[in-house]
Amino acid sequence: GAVVSQHPSWVICKSGTSVKIECRSLDFQATTMFWYRQFPKQSLMLMATSNEGSKATYEQGVEKDKFLINHASLTLSTLTVTSAHPEDSSFYICSARRPQGFYEQYFGPGTRLTVT
Amino acid sequence: RKEVEQDPGPFNVPEGATVAFNCTYSNSASQSFFWYRQDCRKEPKLLMSVYSSGNEDGRFTAQLNRASQYISLLIRDSKLSDSATYLCVVYSGGGADGLTFGKGTHLIIQP
Repeated sequence: GAVVSQHPSWVICKSGTSVKIECRSLDFQATTMFWYRQFPKQSLMLMATSNEGSKATYEQGVEKDKFLINHASLTLSTLTVTSAHPEDSSFYICSARRPQGFYEQYFGPGTRLTVT
Repeated sequence: RKEVEQDPGPFNVPEGATVAFNCTYSNSASQSFFWYRQDCRKEPKLLMSVYSSGNEDGRFTAQLNRASQYISLLIRDSKLSDSATYLCVVYSGGGADGLTFGKGTHLIIQP
């Protein structure tokens, strides 16, 4: 299998606080993980690529100081939304890619963030 | 021009019917192609990879036409549980490690 877990599944926080989301590959090692964001009725948008042991690569327009990514092990990547604002409310989904394959990615169940 | 384009639908199809939808991609250097299924408020789940020779998995058949840069998905004998949004996904390599997603085609199977 290729199972990816994500925690928490939903979170409500106040404006100005920080929220950490964890993404784990449960049955394989993932040297590369990805963080996406999806607004209602929109497609998934890649935010950043998380590489184990090195700095994340952010997509254009994504603030690296606001969305902190740490990929400290082959099975865990974290995304911290710092100083969250209501416009950060979204569905955040991580994915992981197996070392072998055709570049398909396996997604975690997502985290629904609501900033009040 | 958008990188991956799909007809958003919705496609309303009676149970048992055959339905097909296409997806076009703009980057001729794209390397890998996939169909994902996403249910409402859930994460995408890999339905099938799309190989150059086409592939079939039960009631689902995927085809790739590199010359015309489109991918198709055919669902036979549709079930109520097939109702979902189907995402066309392209990997283009070249340093862009992520996948590019279409906005999805919404399919509704009616009893």
